[in-house]
Amino acid sequence: AQSVTQLGSHVSVSEGALVLLRCNYSSSVPPYLFWYVQYPNQGLQLLLKYTTGATLVKGINGFEAEFKKSETSFHLTKPSAHMSDAAEYFCAVIRRGDSSYKLIFGSGTRLLVRP
Amino acid sequence: NAGVTQTPKFQVLKTGQSMTLQCAQDMNHEYMSWYRQDPGMGLRLIHYSVGAGITDQGEVPNGYNVSRSTTEDFPLRLLSAAPSQTSVYFCASSYSSSRTHGYTFGSGTRLTVV
Repeated sequence: AQSVTQLGSHVSVSEGALVLLRCNYSSSVPPYLFWYVQYPNQGLQLLLKYTTGATLVKGINGFEAEFKKSETSFHLTKPSAHMSDAAEYFCAVIRRGDSSYKLIFGSGTRLLVRP
Repeated sequence: NAGVTQTPKFQVLKTGQSMTLQCAQDMNHEYMSWYRQDPGMGLRLIHYSVGAGITDQGEVPNGYNVSRSTTEDFPLRLLSAAPSQTSVYFCASSYSSSRTHGYTFGSGTRLTVV
């Protein structure tokens, strides 16, 4: 069954530094992958998604992710971190069930941005 | 356009009590689902519905019931609350369960069972 693994429960970067959040997937079929962000005391917001086509996906707030089939990865990056990027980030994959699809999440990575 | 609305935002229950977490969406989404979020475990799917009158179990359904009598509403019922159900609960909806659609999430209900 399709699943995702996020490497690193916490990542700390300095303001202005590169942000790299890692996600690896497990899937026997072409996966549909998502990144969500959760700001403190809020729900989840879709950052970007990969379905088909271009492997480099651009999302909101300057984030992007690249689908690499050879590495089974879908890492999230941002060239320059901003204080407002501090949040928890979730990688997710669509898993096919008996009658429909289900969105399955990784365990999350909390991003801390240091001034 | 309110999106996905969850009520209440906070709730404290005693062990054995019952309650219903409400979820409503005004986007005419067919697909609705409930997740629970626990530290270090991400979000885990409890129950989901692909349309009015149709529900199914997710990864962690035990202790929870759902029904879907209308397109707009998808309540989650705890029949006999247990401390292990202390968590933050999120409702999400989508146009369909199709792989290409992102989900819209509510702001969550923080539940504490003592």
